[in-house]
Amino acid sequence: GESVGLHLPTLSVQEGDNSIINCAYSNSASDYFIWYKQESGKGPQFIIDIRSNMDKRQGQRVTVLLNKTVKHLSLQIAATQPGDSAVYFCAESYGNQFYFGTGTSLTVIP
Amino acid sequence: GAVVSQHPSRVICKSGTSVKIECRSLDFQATTMFWYRQFPKQSLMLMATSNEGSKATYEQGVEKDKFLINHASLTLSTLTVTSAHPEDSSFYICSARTEQEFSYEQYFGPGTRLTVT
Repeated sequence: GESVGLHLPTLSVQEGDNSIINCAYSNSASDYFIWYKQESGKGPQFIIDIRSNMDKRQGQRVTVLLNKTVKHLSLQIAATQPGDSAVYFCAESYGNQFYFGTGTSLTVIP
Repeated sequence: GAVVSQHPSRVICKSGTSVKIECRSLDFQATTMFWYRQFPKQSLMLMATSNEGSKATYEQGVEKDKFLINHASLTLSTLTVTSAHPEDSSFYICSARTEQEFSYEQYFGPGTRLTVT
């Protein structure tokens, strides 16, 4: 499968601060990217997606940035809350399949 | 939103037995379903992709005779772990995708924790 990696395996932030989680992907032909949140013992939960013809997409408190030049994806969480503590995965899609990155564990400190 | 269920959520079985895990799309038709396994503190590893009515496509290194996948209908896919061994203990997650226009999103099930003793 393709290799999608994350720069930081763990991240701790203070409640109320903004969080930035980074991801590097390897396939320049990937045309769709998704960020997932996974809480312990549960399946991944969709957060936000972006297509390769965009470089930025905003959701509620989250923003995804895509830099195709350096094959880099980031997830920004505004005003991080304790409920945001989880493992975050980026995934890239090419064709019919998705490939997941290693994951970053986000811990929000109250 | 689209909901995917898995059953059972947890299963403990003895070495050498077989275990079946069901994945259902509850409120939509899933032409494609995916099966992943996840070890503790690791990412999801795609095992196979299944399309309704056809044979599953397995990722390299995944034994198709050990992990039997059946996608019998547009709302149900099953994964059977045959002759399970302790090293098969893992968290198995399915996902389902529709063929809606402009929608590539996968909807994930809650996962099944398999423990082989």
